[in-house]
Amino acid sequence: KQEVTQIPAALSVPEGENLVLNCSFTDSAIYNLQWFRQDPGKGLTSLLLIQSSQREQTSGRLNASLDKSSGRSTLYIAASQPGDSATYLCAVKDSSASKIIFGSGTRLSIRP
Amino acid sequence: EAQVTQNPRYLITVTGKKLTVTCSQNMNHEYMSWYRQDPGLGLRQIYYSMNVEVTDKGDVPEGYKVSRKEKRNFPLILESPSPNQTSLYFCASSYQGRPDTQYFGPGTRLTVL
Repeated sequence: KQEVTQIPAALSVPEGENLVLNCSFTDSAIYNLQWFRQDPGKGLTSLLLIQSSQREQTSGRLNASLDKSSGRSTLYIAASQPGDSATYLCAVKDSSASKIIFGSGTRLSIRP
Repeated sequence: EAQVTQNPRYLITVTGKKLTVTCSQNMNHEYMSWYRQDPGLGLRQIYYSMNVEVTDKGDVPEGYKVSRKEKRNFPLILESPSPNQTSLYFCASSYQGRPDTQYFGPGTRLTVL
């Protein structure tokens, strides 16, 4: 059974730093992996989607990588800003493109 | 505006009283899904649907029902709610083919007394 883990559960860094969030999964047979942002009391906003055949995706200051063989994905945030403070979740879609498993998230706080 | 809507946004009910949470999307997406979010447990998939009249169980389907009679709607039915179904519920939709970015609704906070 697929399991998705995000470590650390919480992270606090000063503004301006570059940082990396981690996501690991136990079954490498995935269809895709998606990174989301969730603000307190709000829904989820998609940040980046990486298909199983891709190695990375970029959007602005965000870069997500995927290494299926090692069961890992990272979300790199460059030049962090207080507005980046939120919970970041990764989700894996299984190889049949049906079930989706979420990690429990990393709560990120950017200190001004 | 492309969106996923859920109703109601907040609901307090009592044990055993049947309820339905509606979900609707206007993007002509084939794939729709329900999740519940609980502290410490993250988001867990309840049911998903890959197209009209096609539904299947996610990781935590017990106590829930769904139907997909139309492409745009995917209601979540709790026929006899219990306190352990108190949670934050999200509906999401996407294309079945690529790109299959998931779009989420705003959430429904359900309290079962």
